[in-house]
Amino acid sequence: GQSLEQPSEVTAVEGAIVQINCTYQTSGFYGLSWYQQHDGGAPTFLSYNALDGLEETGRFSSFLSRSDSYGYLLLQELQMKDSASYFCAVNSNYQLIWGAGTKLIIKP
Amino acid sequence: DAGVIQSPRHEVTEMGQEVTLRCKPISGHDYLFWYRQTMMRGLELLIYFNNNVPIDDSGMPEDRFSAKMPNASFSTLKIQPSEPRDSAVYFCASSFSSGGVDTQYFGPGTRLTVL
Repeated sequence: GQSLEQPSEVTAVEGAIVQINCTYQTSGFYGLSWYQQHDGGAPTFLSYNALDGLEETGRFSSFLSRSDSYGYLLLQELQMKDSASYFCAVNSNYQLIWGAGTKLIIKP
Repeated sequence: DAGVIQSPRHEVTEMGQEVTLRCKPISGHDYLFWYRQTMMRGLELLIYFNNNVPIDDSGMPEDRFSAKMPNASFSTLKIQPSEPRDSAVYFCASSFSSGGVDTQYFGPGTRLTVL
């Protein structure tokens, strides 16, 4: 079967750095995406990695290791508005397979 | 651009009624996706289209669900007859061919409640 695993919940302090991990087992792999979803809102695309390494977009970075079937989303200088759920998703044979999401709780 | 547009935003109906959800993708996007999200099952892909053609409908729960895309700017998801277990938020998303399935732009969703 195909599966993605990510922690269900992560707690961090405002201003800190947090890393959300994602491991995957899929029949095909073309890339790993990350999406953010605020409560009551729609998923919003954050980043995409097709090749190994780090992609940086402002305070957010995403990393991929294809050999380890592993990736992570790194959020720096956390702000209260970053409180949301974060989903990793794998492009497996041109279909996105979604993780269950990680709820990020930020404390002041 | 206005983004992906979905209507209605909220729908409350009674069991057995027909429900039609509508989606207008971002202009120029050639992929369109329908998702369902619940607390229990998370985000599930129901069906997706490329250039108005259904590519994968393996996520459609059963024959009560049907989706159409008559042209590049409009798609519908129909549930007939509806059941309480269909209560969920239904999202439509679209993407460019260059972004493929990886970079999807979601609409605001339709919150469906079946009584």
